[in-house]
Amino acid sequence: GDSVTQMEGPVTLSEEAFLTINCTYTATGYPSLFWYVQYPGEGLQLLLKATKADDKGSNKGFEATYRKETTSFHLEKGSVQVSDSAVYFCARNTGANSKLTFGKGITLSVRP
Amino acid sequence: GAGVSQTPSNKVTEKGKYVELRCDPISGHTALYWYRQSLGQGPEFLIYFQGTGAADDSGLPNDRFFAVRPEGSVSTLKIQRTERGDSAVYLCASSRDGLGSTDTQYFGPGTRLTVL
Repeated sequence: GDSVTQMEGPVTLSEEAFLTINCTYTATGYPSLFWYVQYPGEGLQLLLKATKADDKGSNKGFEATYRKETTSFHLEKGSVQVSDSAVYFCARNTGANSKLTFGKGITLSVRP
Repeated sequence: GAGVSQTPSNKVTEKGKYVELRCDPISGHTALYWYRQSLGQGPEFLIYFQGTGAADDSGLPNDRFFAVRPEGSVSTLKIQRTERGDSAVYLCASSRDGLGSTDTQYFGPGTRLTVL
């Protein structure tokens, strides 16, 4: 079935460090891919998405490219801030009715 | 514009009791989803409504769980004979039409259910 695998966490970085969070998905159908973020005490928010192969989603300095050949959608940011501390979830939909399958999530902590 | 709202924000109940969780989607959104998020895990799909009808209930864990959306707007998730394993955060999301792969879901803040 559909699944999403995220790298194990947690991740702790210093401010202004480069961030990569790995995500791979099962190659069934033609899914859209998403990154959601959950800030402390808040609900899930859509960070970015990509709807087809080679698309790049971007928002708030974060980027992720839909790589069909490696079934990956890794999240990157060139210079993280303390305010980026949150839990990040990678997700895919099924294409049929848009229900989402999420990875386990990874906690990012950025220290000053 | 209001986002997705859920009530209550927290619910504590005793094992064996019945609970109802409410979701108010974004106005005009025809698709509505329920997910369950256990501690340290990503959300897991429970059920999807397209208008008033449940188009996909394949994620409901057993027949103690039931959801309705009688007028195509507000939805209620109902759990009978609650068990300690039902303790989780229940998330609701809505999207414009749920019919295309580009449709985006917007999540509510969740209801934290604790079964003692």
